Amino acid sequence: QKEVEQDPGPLSVPEGAIVSLNCTYSNSAFQYFMWYRQYSRKGPELLMYTYSSGNKEDGRFTAQVDKSSKYISLFIRDSQPSDSATYLCAMSAHSGSARQLTFGSGTQLTVLP
Amino acid sequence: DVKVTQSSRYLVKRTGEKVFLECVQDMDHENMFWYRQDPGLGLRLIYFSYDVKMKEKGDIPEGYSVSREKKERFSLILESASTNQTSMYLCASRQDREAATNEKLFFGSGTQLSVL
Repeated sequence: QKEVEQDPGPLSVPEGAIVSLNCTYSNSAFQYFMWYRQYSRKGPELLMYTYSSGNKEDGRFTAQVDKSSKYISLFIRDSQPSDSATYLCAMSAHSGSARQLTFGSGTQLTVLP
Repeated sequence: DVKVTQSSRYLVKRTGEKVFLECVQDMDHENMFWYRQDPGLGLRLIYFSYDVKMKEKGDIPEGYSVSREKKERFSLILESASTNQTSMYLCASRQDREAATNEKLFFGSGTQLSVL
């Protein structure tokens, strides 16, 4: 069983839809959670960063962490064609330690105009 | 903006060849990383470096080595390329491992390596 599970999709939604992307994990020591966005033929870029449980909002994006369920989500409101990308979750138990950073396999999202 | 530049976008090599993948960052970052990205497997850490001439193994170092002679440059070496090393290789950098909330990795655009 992988430490981090992420539905690979592909996920296709109409413009303006609310998108929900999810990851589950098995390591209860994880407490730092990230979402990276990767456009086609580009490297990933950090989109959201959260520590421990709770919600964090940034514009149209909301990251949610439920440590009791070992489940994290990224919500995209009013989705745009420019949001079409692969979204990778990542998590670690220790701050500042990319060595223990574990990535999900990514969900491919297409927002149709 | 931080720029992480990988020397080749696409590379085709033959089995047994020695392959060099180069990465340069322009923001004076201490930490540099090499990942490979494969469908269904996500990003897996090959090697990383906290400082010049320092290197540490990641999760899948077998068949790879690295070199960091200058702070801005981190090279990945495939000593004898094999077909199972066909993959997307991503270089990343980060400012300082001691910064409490500095988890942000800056990635290059990747090198798609095919070993025939």
